[in-house]
Amino acid sequence: TQLLEQSPQFLSIQEGENLTVYCNSSSVFSSLQWYRQEPGEGPVLLVTVVTGGEVKKLKRLTFQFGDARKDSSLHITAAQPGDTGLYLCAGAKGGATNKLIFGTGTLLAVQP
Amino acid sequence: DTEVTQTPKHLVMGMTNKKSLKCEQHMGHRAMYWYKQKAKKPPELMFVYSYEKLSINESVPSRFSPECPNSSLLNLHLHALQPEDSALYLCASSQVRKNTEAFFGQGTRLTVV
Repeated sequence: TQLLEQSPQFLSIQEGENLTVYCNSSSVFSSLQWYRQEPGEGPVLLVTVVTGGEVKKLKRLTFQFGDARKDSSLHITAAQPGDTGLYLCAGAKGGATNKLIFGTGTLLAVQP
Repeated sequence: DTEVTQTPKHLVMGMTNKKSLKCEQHMGHRAMYWYKQKAKKPPELMFVYSYEKLSINESVPSRFSPECPNSSLLNLHLHALQPEDSALYLCASSQVRKNTEAFFGQGTRLTVV
């Protein structure tokens, strides 16, 4: 079984704080996607990283793909209440089936 | 248009009922997926269709029956479900190529009574 472990599992912080979410695996992935999901809604794609060592920025969010393409991190600067949600990483093995393997999830609550 | 539309948004059904979940996308994606998600857990893959053919069935019980009538539509037929099947059912679509991105619908919240 290919597992993607996320840490921390839960995170409650105050508005304005910084945080980092980690997504780790022993498997190599051809790409890794990050999603944010709000209660009762579907996951919304934030970013896809493909190249080992790649760093992508989306406003206050910074995503990094590990050099060996086994792990990734999401850093949020100056968190806001609107960042609250379930953050999911998902690894793709490539190939025609496009099977995504989801991480265990990080539930983030940003208090005003 | 990056929208995947799922209907209904909510569904309550008895254990002897037959119902269907529907999913539609007009992005030209030829891969479509069904996922099941329990509260505060990650989505679990159920089925993958590629070019309207079933390519992955993750050992899902036969009371769940998928159907892909054309490249834009994906159905999930439900029959004789159990209360433990209550969950958020998510549909997603993507292109059929390496490192493609998957786009999800809002889901159907299913409650089996």
